[in-house]
Amino acid sequence: NAGVMQNPRHLVRRRGQEARLRCSPMKGHSHVYWYRQLPEEGLKFMVYLQKENIIDESGMPKERFSAEFPKEGPSILRIQQVVRGDSAAYFCASSPFMGLQQGGTGELFFGEGSRLTVL
Amino acid sequence: GQQLNQSPQSMFIQEGEDVSMNCTSSSIFNTWLWYKQDPGEGPVLLIALYKAGELTSNGRLTAQFGITRKDSFLNISASIPSDVGIYFCAGAAFGAGGTSYGKLTFGQGTILTVHP
Repeated sequence: NAGVMQNPRHLVRRRGQEARLRCSPMKGHSHVYWYRQLPEEGLKFMVYLQKENIIDESGMPKERFSAEFPKEGPSILRIQQVVRGDSAAYFCASSPFMGLQQGGTGELFFGEGSRLTVL
Repeated sequence: GQQLNQSPQSMFIQEGEDVSMNCTSSSIFNTWLWYKQDPGEGPVLLIALYKAGELTSNGRLTAQFGITRKDSFLNISASIPSDVGIYFCAGAAFGAGGTSYGKLTFGQGTILTVHP
């Protein structure tokens, strides 16, 4: 998993505060995905971004959550007015192409995750 | 939405034993992936399957893409202590243009414990 950098690794927020999670994809990768993992559950897709574009945000809650991947700098997942139910591990993944192509490795490279705890 | 049912939820085995876990889906997937996650880490891809019926090996790991496209299994032979972790299946369906981008549906995971 070397290369996909997420920070912070751990973040503690009180209810109502904002959380900002950052993801720098692997060098040369222009496709970024965010996934959320609740305790003892599998990962759930949130959003897929390319540089300056949101391609698919069908897994993102309609309110309080937003994501961006600017031309310069890391991708950011922003959670406003956090609630206890937002406590989870948030994983970023990157790929060099548009996802899983037939015959290719199709690998998404995941970061180590950012663990958000809401008090 | 699409859902994956992964079983068993947990396994406790002795070192050297073989392990088998599987995933079933209510809908068709075009790609099946198996990941391993260690505590505090992100998932690492073990095996990727792209064709119905495909059987693929990676060392002691073997996985198959079910003929119906609705299931997959992962076998680990001769388990060792470092196999401990959580194993996830994940599926992807084709999007526009015939490619399936990284919008994966994950199973709930199988927690594997290996006793020396």
